[in-house]
Amino acid sequence: AQKVTQAQTEISVVEKEDVTLDCVYETRDTTYYLFWYKQPPSGELVFLIRRNSFDEQNEISGRYSWNFQKSTSSFNFTITASQVVDSAVYFCALSDLTGNQFYFGTGTSLTVIP
Amino acid sequence: EPEVTQTPSHQVTQMGQEVILRCVPISNHLYFYWYRQILGQKVEFLVSFYNNEISEKSEIFDDQFSVERPDGSNFTLKIRSTKLEDSAMYFCAIWDRGETDTQYFGPGTRLTVL
Repeated sequence: AQKVTQAQTEISVVEKEDVTLDCVYETRDTTYYLFWYKQPPSGELVFLIRRNSFDEQNEISGRYSWNFQKSTSSFNFTITASQVVDSAVYFCALSDLTGNQFYFGTGTSLTVIP
Repeated sequence: EPEVTQTPSHQVTQMGQEVILRCVPISNHLYFYWYRQILGQKVEFLVSFYNNEISEKSEIFDDQFSVERPDGSNFTLKIRSTKLEDSAMYFCAIWDRGETDTQYFGPGTRLTVL
């Protein structure tokens, strides 16, 4: 079965704190893609990152970093020194390598308090 | 300038009516997707479209749904006979799997079925 679980429904942090959003997935595929998206209060969807299953290197982009661990089927997302603008719902998703079908988690709503 | 535009931004229709949602990518792309998001819920994959054909569709994408690219530019999602439960935000997306390897989402069409 293809499934993405984001167990944290809502998280609140104070500005400048670090926060990690968890994502655990299940897949029957040996190779696949993992994604993170941001949906700010305005409602649009913003692509953040795509990761191949065969590339377990962690990725850093500014204050964002992603930790992919195939052994635990997790693809966690950390925001360092959070800012109010980081307040959004964050979705993790999974697809096979064709990228033809996507499975989304239920999202984590992050609120950064000034 | 956004890579993807969608029209209309909001569509109100009576149950049983047909609706057509339109997506216009700014430049030539090959990989198209439709997603829907019922208010307050997760993003759900509907269908992927590559090279003018459906690549994959989800269980949600039943016979009431169809997609086409009528003029090589617009990408449309048609719902033949709308139901109350079709009320949702519908997002079109493209995946530039070339140089940028980035997914771009349209701003969405809010469909309200009365």
